[in-house]
Amino acid sequence: AQSVAQPEDQVNVAEGNPLTVKCTYSVSGNPYLFWYVQYPNRGLQFLLKYITGDNLVKGSYGFEAEFNKSQTSFHLKKPSALVSDSALYFCAVRGFTGNQFYFGTGTSLTVIP
Amino acid sequence: DTGVSQDPRHKITKRGQNVTFRCDPISEHNRLYWYRQTLGQGPEFLTYFQNEAQLEKSRLLSDRFSAERPKGSFSTLEIQRTEQGDSAMYLCASPRPHRGGADEQFFGPGTRLTVL
Repeated sequence: AQSVAQPEDQVNVAEGNPLTVKCTYSVSGNPYLFWYVQYPNRGLQFLLKYITGDNLVKGSYGFEAEFNKSQTSFHLKKPSALVSDSALYFCAVRGFTGNQFYFGTGTSLTVIP
Repeated sequence: DTGVSQDPRHKITKRGQNVTFRCDPISEHNRLYWYRQTLGQGPEFLTYFQNEAQLEKSRLLSDRFSAERPKGSFSTLEIQRTEQGDSAMYLCASPRPHRGGADEQFFGPGTRLTVL
């Protein structure tokens, strides 16, 4: 079975501090991994994805994610958090076969001024 | 604005009634997904179209649910004999095609269904 897990429902970080939102995955074969963000009263927006190659992926709004095959993780990071980063973040995976994408349960990020 | 529109944005209905939602994807994208999202959960896959062909359906999609995509353009999702458990946000996504399938999904704003 293919799935992702987001172990933290809520992450709080002070403005200007680095942030990490965690994601682990379970998939057969090589995974395609994604991060999406959902701002209040807005739809889900694509942030970044990992397909292959460099384990550090850079995306929108200064976010990056690190793919770690041995730990089956794909944590989202940002060196310096902004208050405007406060939102709901979803990790997603697509297996090597099939057309389905599997989303995590989401992590609510709050950046404290 | 992702370029994907959904109508209506909100729907309140009584249990047992039928409802239909519409999704207009990005015109040059030939794939389309429907998802359901409940409070505290991520989007759950319901069904997938490539052009007009419905290629995959989730086990979540009971026989009360039906989806169509005539002519490979807009899509409709119909729920018959609605139940309170159908209350959720229904999302449509129009993926930007990527060779190998690592598609970036462009999501619509969703239709929030409340079944009383």
